[in-house]
Amino acid sequence: SSELTQDPGVSVALGQTVRITCQGDSLRGNYASWYQQKPGQAPVLVIYDNNNRPSGIPDRFSGSSSRNTASLTITGAQAEDEADYYCNSRDNSGYHWLFGGGTRLTVL
Amino acid sequence: QLQLQESGPGLVKPSETLSLTCTVSGGSISSSSNYWGWIRQPPGKGLEWIGSIHYTGSAYYNPSLKSRVTISVDTSKNQFSLKVNSLTAADTAVYFCARGEWMILSDSWGQGTLVTVSS
Repeated sequence: SSELTQDPGVSVALGQTVRITCQGDSLRGNYASWYQQKPGQAPVLVIYDNNNRPSGIPDRFSGSSSRNTASLTITGAQAEDEADYYCNSRDNSGYHWLFGGGTRLTVL
Repeated sequence: QLQLQESGPGLVKPSETLSLTCTVSGGSISSSSNYWGWIRQPPGKGLEWIGSIHYTGSAYYNPSLKSRVTISVDTSKNQFSLKVNSLTAADTAVYFCARGEWMILSDSWGQGTLVTVSS
């Protein structure tokens, strides 16, 4: 398969935990990355290699992957976490990149 | 600190060719571990990978765009470029340039430039 599937929208109460998921066959053999994008801004890498955080990304962001599903978890969501989140991985050829359709996170 | 800056026309006519350049500062485009990519985002829609290139010239393209896209690199100017031909309104998007590695599409992005395809 050459697709990554995400729920279009998810909401979370301030301070609570939320999980955003991404499904696709390519995730069985490839690492997932996650990008956060706020309106009018370029995306920011928040998770790479399934579960690693770049420097400067708060530790409330974590990632995991199992079989064909990758997950981004925000533990203790803050108002500033309201954004679109995109998953990303190589396709099964290993030479091309895929994006999920994006999940809009609303912090209530 | 690494910075990437896209440049090019904001308006292009249908059937013409779009040319964009990304200028890299604060780092070398000739880094062996880095790949340099283009990603686009139509207004109100999601991200789409266009292609990536290594400073050696090895390039990889989205299969859905491959017939219309060329990415090149100019190490003397620390720049890489994108050409998309046979433009239609569907190519209207914000175009981002980005730095990545083989296993990470991008860890640093340009601010993006809006390209509108219209007569």
